[in-house]
Amino acid sequence: KAGVTQTPRYLIKTRGQQVTLSCSPISGHRSVSWYQQTPGQGLQFLFEYFSETQRNKGNFPGRFSGRQFSNSRSEMNVSTLELGDSALYLCASSLGKTSGRAYNEQFFGPGTRLTVL
Amino acid sequence: KNEVEQSPQNLTAQEGEFITINCSYSVGISALHWLQQHPGGGIVSLFMLSSGKKKHGRLIATINIQEKHSSLHITASHPRDSAVYICAVRGRIKDNTDKLIFGTGTRLQVFP
Repeated sequence: KAGVTQTPRYLIKTRGQQVTLSCSPISGHRSVSWYQQTPGQGLQFLFEYFSETQRNKGNFPGRFSGRQFSNSRSEMNVSTLELGDSALYLCASSLGKTSGRAYNEQFFGPGTRLTVL
Repeated sequence: KNEVEQSPQNLTAQEGEFITINCSYSVGISALHWLQQHPGGGIVSLFMLSSGKKKHGRLIATINIQEKHSSLHITASHPRDSAVYICAVRGRIKDNTDKLIFGTGTRLQVFP
């Protein structure tokens, strides 16, 4: 079974631009979560999607948005980029809510490293 | 104070040594994860625990729900174990969002 894939792997943008990152979950997984990792703040939760619906959202400004498609693939968008948005963006997929379990193990993708100049 | 605290922050060991990394948390949780991150960024999920103990090869993870504490043990450590180990809990904090909350990680270096 293929793992979680993220594209692109590396991205360089300038302040004020916008960016879209993509995540393809493991086949059969319906939940996708996004995380931001920076040296200063560590790993922080951005949002979680399940069956095309946003279930949870972290404490990030409205410039950060996402969506999930019917095939469970997810995209994350950051508008009006700031220098502080430079980070490794990770997505993780899981089965989501299943019979008898409210939460299942997450499998992480390799990440997209975004540099904002 | 962080909701998830790890210790130590940095750890060096000689090959073959027994290693313990600790994680304490202050929120109610539905699960606790131990993650491994190598240079380059990729994260591998080692364990997901909600009670008791799990073992996988040379790795052992334990959790004490009453004490809100978990440990990750590596027996017979090897240089390829060098990585950052991150504890994360699934829980709710001030904003009442059900999410993964991460510790700051323990950087382990194992020397031959």
